[in-house]
Amino acid sequence: DGGITQSPKYLFRKEGQNVTLSCEQNLNHDAMYWYRQDPGQGLRLIYYSQIVNDFQKGDIAEGYSVSREKKESFPLTVTSAQKNPTAFYLCASSTQGGLTGELFFGEGSRLTVL
Amino acid sequence: AQSVSQHNHHVILSEAASLELGCNYSYGGTVNLFWYVQYPGQHLQLLLKYFSGDPLVKGIKGFEAEFIKSKFSFNLRKPSVQWSDTAEYFCAVKLGGATNKLIFGTGTLLAVQP
Repeated sequence: DGGITQSPKYLFRKEGQNVTLSCEQNLNHDAMYWYRQDPGQGLRLIYYSQIVNDFQKGDIAEGYSVSREKKESFPLTVTSAQKNPTAFYLCASSTQGGLTGELFFGEGSRLTVL
Repeated sequence: AQSVSQHNHHVILSEAASLELGCNYSYGGTVNLFWYVQYPGQHLQLLLKYFSGDPLVKGIKGFEAEFIKSKFSFNLRKPSVQWSDTAEYFCAVKLGGATNKLIFGTGTLLAVQP
């Protein structure tokens, strides 16, 4: 089945540790995105990438880093500099050429900082 | 800054009641508009979208939305809700331009009582 796979589904981290969330897609999409979902705040864009080896900051990029070395992969690292990392993280992808605007989402990763 | 407002944070309805969820955006240029839905335990998925043409768009599961440009609104409607419509609904806006970056509203949690 084509889709987006995020792992792990649940992750616990101690304060001061970096953690990397995986996102893989087999939809052959050019563009990939990372959103953070918090109760009452909707989805906020962290980073996005329109093509391999290129990415841009979203609205809340501080304390996060990404890489896009392969078309199908867009890992997100939550660094110790992120002041409030406990959240639900969603990865998405879309076609770029058609610019349809439709995003396809993974099932999310819930990060809890202890 | 561009933003998307969903005024109803929580809505509780009985089955067969009619539904209207408000969505307003702040941007004066060309926009594409979306409603996404997140059923309990499932990933976000597209409900319907507006790009151009008829401002009344129909989506899956009997949902529809009307784009009123003069009011900067894109309200979601369904004449008769079912228990299975219980979910969180997100309005999103794609600004004119060369990316698929979406701005999401804060979401509306709909609970339908049988």
